[in-house]
Amino acid sequence: DGGITQSPKYLFRKEGQNVTLSCEQNLNHDAMYWYRQDPGQGLRLIYYSQIVNDFQKGDIAEGYSVSREKKESFPLTVTSAQKNPTAFYLCASSPRTSGGRTDTQYFGPGTRLTVL
Amino acid sequence: DAKTTQPPSMDCAEGRAANLPCNHSTISGNEYVYWYRQIHSQGPQYIIHGLKNNETNEMASLIITEDRKSSTLILPHATLRDTAVYYCIVTGTTTGAQKLVFGQGTRLTINP
Repeated sequence: DGGITQSPKYLFRKEGQNVTLSCEQNLNHDAMYWYRQDPGQGLRLIYYSQIVNDFQKGDIAEGYSVSREKKESFPLTVTSAQKNPTAFYLCASSPRTSGGRTDTQYFGPGTRLTVL
Repeated sequence: DAKTTQPPSMDCAEGRAANLPCNHSTISGNEYVYWYRQIHSQGPQYIIHGLKNNETNEMASLIITEDRKSSTLILPHATLRDTAVYYCIVTGTTTGAQKLVFGQGTRLTINP
């Protein structure tokens, strides 16, 4: 099956610990994204990557880090510097059009992180 | 990024057409209108997108006004499984990558 997988679905961590969220896609998409969603709110962009070994900060990158060593993988680390890490984290990927523009984003099922 | 305005909530009877409006009066010429929906505790699901012309796929139809300042998403025969929050998003590209700005969306409830 083609798609985007995020694991685990639920994650619990103690305050002060770093935690890494997994995102894998087998859609051969060039671009990948990480969003955060708080209760009753829309999504906010954390980081995005257009190609392997390259990524850019989104609107709320502070306290987060990413890597893009492989096309199919874009893990997100929530560091202890993130003041309010408890949230629903969503990963997305998108192909690139023949004209070079990144196309429709498709989302994974999300990981709900709770920091105790 | 252009901003969108959607009603916070709507109701629709099962089997009827659900028409969800969206205003995007500051949209620029190269920006697309995208619609996603999100069922509780799941990732957003892509529905449809368009630039100028009306679009239709197996899920929905998208009607964009001639001046492009507003659009309507139409679910032709709503079912209970269509109950979700629907997001209208206007986006171009930001340094080559597409940036989606999600607002509050419209909470659509399909009633039996």
